[in-house]
Amino acid sequence: DAGVIQSPRHEVTEMGQEVTLRCKPISGHDYLFWYRQTMMRGLELLIYFNNNVPIDDSGMPEDRFSAKMPNASFSTLKIQPSEPRDSAVYFCASSFVTGASEQFFGPGTRLTVL
Amino acid sequence: SQKIEQNSEALNIQEGKTATLTCNYTNYSPAYLQWYRQDPGRGPVFLLLIRENEKEKRKERLKVTFDTTLKQSLFHITASQPADSATYLCALDGAASKLTFGTGTRLQVTL
Repeated sequence: DAGVIQSPRHEVTEMGQEVTLRCKPISGHDYLFWYRQTMMRGLELLIYFNNNVPIDDSGMPEDRFSAKMPNASFSTLKIQPSEPRDSAVYFCASSFVTGASEQFFGPGTRLTVL
Repeated sequence: SQKIEQNSEALNIQEGKTATLTCNYTNYSPAYLQWYRQDPGRGPVFLLLIRENEKEKRKERLKVTFDTTLKQSLFHITASQPADSATYLCALDGAASKLTFGTGTRLQVTL
């Protein structure tokens, strides 16, 4: 398996534009997680899905952020409109189960909002 | 409030020595704790998981301890090598079994 795949790897956009980040989890994993990492706040969980259903989105910072998982092999995180403070590295991770199970992280998308 | 604390200052050690990293937490009652390694420009990679009823776990040159009384986990790398240089993150299960990560400690192993 190729591991968790994320695209794009880098995204530079201007304030106010829509940004869509993509993730393909490892086949067979039931859980998918979206994280954001910054120097100031570290790695923060934004939302996670179980069997394509959003379970907990309490970490989503604002209504500008939305996430979907239309099928078991694809998820998107959308920011509309984007703001400079959204600049961060966004990671997608997947696992077999939640709880006591290792998470497999993708390479991340580095987002810069000018 | 809940906190996970890792030493934010980099840990510099000489090759061959044992590196010890600390993870302290408050206002959590985790059933388990995980350690991850993160290299620059990459996602975290899982290393070890230790459960609350386990005092110690080993994997090759890695050893993790978990003291639920002290609310602390120690992560040891014996016979450290320059290739061990990275940031190490601890993570524990918080509300609804979600993993919450510490901010990480950067380890630098020099020749």
